[in-house]
Amino acid sequence: RKEVEQDPGPFNVPEGATVAFNCTYSNSASQSFFWYRQDCRKEPKLLMSVYSSGNEDGRFTAQLNRASQYISLLIRDSKLSDSATYLCVVTGYSNASKIIFGSGTRLSIQP
Amino acid sequence: NAGVMQNPRHLVRRRGQEARLRCSPMKGHSHVYWYRQLPEEGLKFMVYLQKENIIDESGMPKERFSAEFPKEGPSILRIQQVVRGDSAAYFCASSYRDRDSEQYFGPGTRLTVT
Repeated sequence: RKEVEQDPGPFNVPEGATVAFNCTYSNSASQSFFWYRQDCRKEPKLLMSVYSSGNEDGRFTAQLNRASQYISLLIRDSKLSDSATYLCVVTGYSNASKIIFGSGTRLSIQP
Repeated sequence: NAGVMQNPRHLVRRRGQEARLRCSPMKGHSHVYWYRQLPEEGLKFMVYLQKENIIDESGMPKERFSAEFPKEGPSILRIQQVVRGDSAAYFCASSYRDRDSEQYFGPGTRLTVT
C-alpha cells in the first residue's frame, strides 16, 4: 500500500457542479496535511492547510478524518479555472518526519 | 514580498556534464526543500535543508547528487555527471518553520540532458 494515495482521475465535471475527492494515508501518526494545486508544467501552489476541525475557504472545504485516515477536498460551484491537478501532502510521521506528496487527482471542469 | 526564486528556469546539459540549480527562499524563510518531478509523475521529495545544515536527505540518490544551503547565498542542488534519466523538473520550496508547516514553491528548473 502506498503511503499516500489519491485517485488519479481524471474527474470530468460540468461547470457549476460540486466535486469532492479524497486522499488516504497509511500512517496514523501523520501530523500535518495540506492540499496543493498544480497547473500543467507549473509549480504547486498551496491551496489550504487541513486542520482537525476542518476548514473552509470560499468554495473550498477541506476535512480530516483521522479514524479512517483520509483527507478530503470539496469544491462547490466549480469554475473552469479550477481545472488542475490537486495534490495532497502528508507530513510528520516517524522519526524522520517525512514529507509525502500524493500523485495527484486531475480535475477537468467542462463548460 | 518576492516569492521563492529559482534559476535557471531551463537548463540543457550533455551527458557527463554538471548541473547546478539555485534556489533563493522567500524572505524570512530558513527552511528549504528540493523536489524532483519526472514527466507525468508526482513530486518526489529529495532533501530538506536549513541554513548550513542538511536535515533530511533520505530522498537524494546516493551518488552524483548533493545539496547545500550556505549561510549566505542561495541553496544549490548539484548533479554531477548527468545522465538522460536526470531530465526532470526540479522544484524548490521554502517554509518559515519546520517541515510540518506550509511550503511555498519556486517556478522550478527544467533540466534536459541530451
